[in-house]
Amino acid sequence: GDSVTQMEGPVTLSEEAFLTINCTYTATGYPSLFWYVQYPGEGLQLLLKATKADDKGSNKGFEATYRKETTSFHLEKGSVQVSDSAVYFCALSDLGGNNRLAFGKGNQVVVIP
Amino acid sequence: DGGITQSPKYLFRKEGQNVTLSCEQNLNHDAMYWYRQDPGQGLRLIYYSQIVNDFQKGDIAEGYSVSREKKESFPLTVTSAQKNPTAFYLCASGVLSQPQHFGDGTRLSIL
Repeated sequence: GDSVTQMEGPVTLSEEAFLTINCTYTATGYPSLFWYVQYPGEGLQLLLKATKADDKGSNKGFEATYRKETTSFHLEKGSVQVSDSAVYFCALSDLGGNNRLAFGKGNQVVVIP
Repeated sequence: DGGITQSPKYLFRKEGQNVTLSCEQNLNHDAMYWYRQDPGQGLRLIYYSQIVNDFQKGDIAEGYSVSREKKESFPLTVTSAQKNPTAFYLCASGVLSQPQHFGDGTRLSIL
């Protein structure tokens, strides 16, 4: 079935550093791809999305490009802030079907001042 | 403002007890979903409903039940058959071709 794999482990970095979180997927069709962010004690918020190959999603300085050839959707930000500390989830959806989401395990990002 | 409201924020269950988590949305979305979140495991789908009076099992439906009598509401019951119910439960809603919107979650613990 469809699945999403995120890099293992938390990510700790200093303020203004460059952030990359890897995400790869396995899908039989042409899914839409998402990054969601979860702040402590809260639900998930949509960060960005891409619906077809080569699309670039962007929001709040974060970017991710839908790469069909490498089945990847890596999240990047050029200069992180302390307020970016959160858990980040990569997800895919078939959208054309029942809109079910498959999630990666998430990455805790901690930004140190 | 439109959104999804989950209640309560914290819930405690005694052994052998059923508990019901509430989820209400005013986004006029047809579809609603329940996910379970455990540390380091991401989110797993429990049940989903694409239309009133209809719902389907997700990946981990055992020990849970749902109903969808109104478009706005999708309550989840955690039954005594669920042997490891301690988790963070998230409700979501959506329409086809659009991302899902999430509530703020209910944290369930065992007394």
